[in-house]
Amino acid sequence: SQQGEEDPQALSIQEGENATMNCSYKTSINNLQWYRQNSGRGLVHLILIRSNEREKHSGRLRVTLDTSKKSSSLLITASRAADTASYFCATDGFSGGYNKLIFGAGTRLAVHP
Amino acid sequence: DGGITQSPKYLFRKEGQNVTLSCEQNLNHDAMYWYRQDPGQGLRLIYYSQIVNDFQKGDIAEGYSVSREKKESFPLTVTSAQKNPTAFYLCASSIEFRVPGNTIYFGEGSWLTVV
Repeated sequence: SQQGEEDPQALSIQEGENATMNCSYKTSINNLQWYRQNSGRGLVHLILIRSNEREKHSGRLRVTLDTSKKSSSLLITASRAADTASYFCATDGFSGGYNKLIFGAGTRLAVHP
Repeated sequence: DGGITQSPKYLFRKEGQNVTLSCEQNLNHDAMYWYRQDPGQGLRLIYYSQIVNDFQKGDIAEGYSVSREKKESFPLTVTSAQKNPTAFYLCASSIEFRVPGNTIYFGEGSWLTVV
């Protein structure tokens, strides 16, 4: 079963607009990470937020984490056409003796020029 | 440049054939992983290895096999027992296995299609 579930499944915006994607999860976590995947390519790590953090920034990315609601959001400000990609959240926690990352199904973002 | 190299990028398998996907990393990472991605889906863990000569089943290991004879190499064999192998396969690695918050680095993926 998937731990993280992203919402919306797809998002279409114009360049310059902000894009917000949400991730909900079911069980306690140590960390939550966001990854980006261009079509037909591998995933690239964007940002990690620890369970004791509430907000984190990296360039045009802003991630929030609400452990009471078991949810996270990724905000991309001033989007560009090059931001078009799928975005995945991944939660980790020890399971079966190892640190297991569980990925959601992703949000497909399309940024139109 | 350091990274993870997967080959081939595209692979076609006939019914009843075994095929092997190659994964090589020069990041000096201990841990390596294989994930399967179906269209519009997230990643599902097939196998993982925390150190040379060790590997463990992930969530969907049936019909797959791996080996870890060298630190830098973690090939995945898709056997004829895997009834629905058409998917995008991603190899990944991380520095250590048991450390929370490890960043996982991914290869560019391999597309496998059954013909």
